[in-house]
Amino acid sequence: QVQVVESGGGVVQPGRSLRLSCAVSGLSFSSHAMHWVRQGPGKGLEWVAVISYDGNYKNYIDSVKGRFTISRDNSKNTLYLEMNSLRVEDTAVYFCVTEAGPRRFGPWGQGTLVTVSS
Amino acid sequence: DIQLTQSPSFLSASVGDRVTITCRASQGIASYLAWHQQKPGKAPKLLIYTTSTLQSGVPSRFSGSGSGTEFTLTVSSLQPEDFATYYCQQLNSYPWTFGQGTKVEIK
Repeated sequence: QVQVVESGGGVVQPGRSLRLSCAVSGLSFSSHAMHWVRQGPGKGLEWVAVISYDGNYKNYIDSVKGRFTISRDNSKNTLYLEMNSLRVEDTAVYFCVTEAGPRRFGPWGQGTLVTVSS
Repeated sequence: DIQLTQSPSFLSASVGDRVTITCRASQGIASYLAWHQQKPGKAPKLLIYTTSTLQSGVPSRFSGSGSGTEFTLTVSSLQPEDFATYYCQQLNSYPWTFGQGTKVEIK
């Protein structure tokens, strides 16, 4: 049974930073690409970033490029999202998603809430 | 970026009804289309990937079809636990975009 558990959310002021973590168990973490997806309050899903199984490929949605950094530590089975220069519009539940197979998008974690507010 | 448009955005149906949701892509995405189900306050759950492959554990009343730019999710006989919001997602090219969602409510 694959388990995906996010942590690190909270309330932060605009312009500040926050780091999210995602612990994965039940599969060979180092063999799978990983993603972050977010969902603003009352809104739909928005794909944010991807990192390849070995960390050598990364891609981001335009609105977070230069501010967010996705990374992973395969020795700890953990995914990260470093978020800098946070904006009010980054307020969302952030989900960590395993790419269990090629273009097989799931399982999802339960999400962690990030609120950017002064 | 590839845009996905779902129709309808809202659907009212009864238990036992056959329900179909359509997802149209702004350009061809081959078969790289997934469907996710989300219940209030919960994380989304993968139902179908690569257009028509059922994720393990998903009931066979769910099915997917299509290719190119038009895709459908069908629930053959709606059950009480199926009332939720459904999202399509294209995995053809980054950014991997989602449709706006279709909320399925009880009539």
